[in-house]
Amino acid sequence: DQQVKQNSPSLSVQEGRISILNCDYTNSMFDYFLWYKKYPAEGPTFLISISSIKDKNEDGRFTVFLNKSAKHLSLHIVPSQPGDSAVYFCAADTSGNTPLVFGKGTRLSVIA
Amino acid sequence: DAGITQSPRHKVTETGTPVTLRCHQTENHRYMYWYRQDPGHGLRLIHYSYGVKDTDKGEVSDGYSVSRSKTEDFLLTLESATSSQTSVYFCAISAGLDPYEQYFGPGTRLTVT
Repeated sequence: DQQVKQNSPSLSVQEGRISILNCDYTNSMFDYFLWYKKYPAEGPTFLISISSIKDKNEDGRFTVFLNKSAKHLSLHIVPSQPGDSAVYFCAADTSGNTPLVFGKGTRLSVIA
Repeated sequence: DAGITQSPRHKVTETGTPVTLRCHQTENHRYMYWYRQDPGHGLRLIHYSYGVKDTDKGEVSDGYSVSRSKTEDFLLTLESATSSQTSVYFCAISAGLDPYEQYFGPGTRLTVT
């Protein structure tokens, strides 16, 4: 069973508008969440993270929101830029000796 | 950029042949990982290492073996390649497990014909 789910395979947004990428998880033991961004022919790069003791973390145009009761997190990009077009992976971690669990990714297309 | 290199970057091989992919890091990080990325499946963990000669299986380890004889190198071997192993393979490193960020290499595109 998928523990980390990104139910939207793709998302298209106009330049300057807000992009909202969603991620749901099933394991209540997850206590740290990360977003990675991947361009074609490159490895994924770390974007932003959030600990379960917080409900929001902001870094420039990127904000991640965590709703623990709903087991849901979202990444907001404001304003969206064409260079944000990429695949975004959500990942989750539990305290302990286990690696990250990744979602399947959402392809974001920002249209000029 | 994290000092991670992967070799080769591209490889075409025939079914049944052995293949070894290499990941090299200059960060002296303890943890190293091998993932494969396939359409519709995202990133799936194959094997990971938590130290020299210490490795463990991931989600999709069947048909793959790994070795880590030095901190800086993590090898992924396909003993007898199959077409289902055609994929893009990423190596990643991290300093720790709790919590941590992983840094990924540029990937190896492997095609098994």
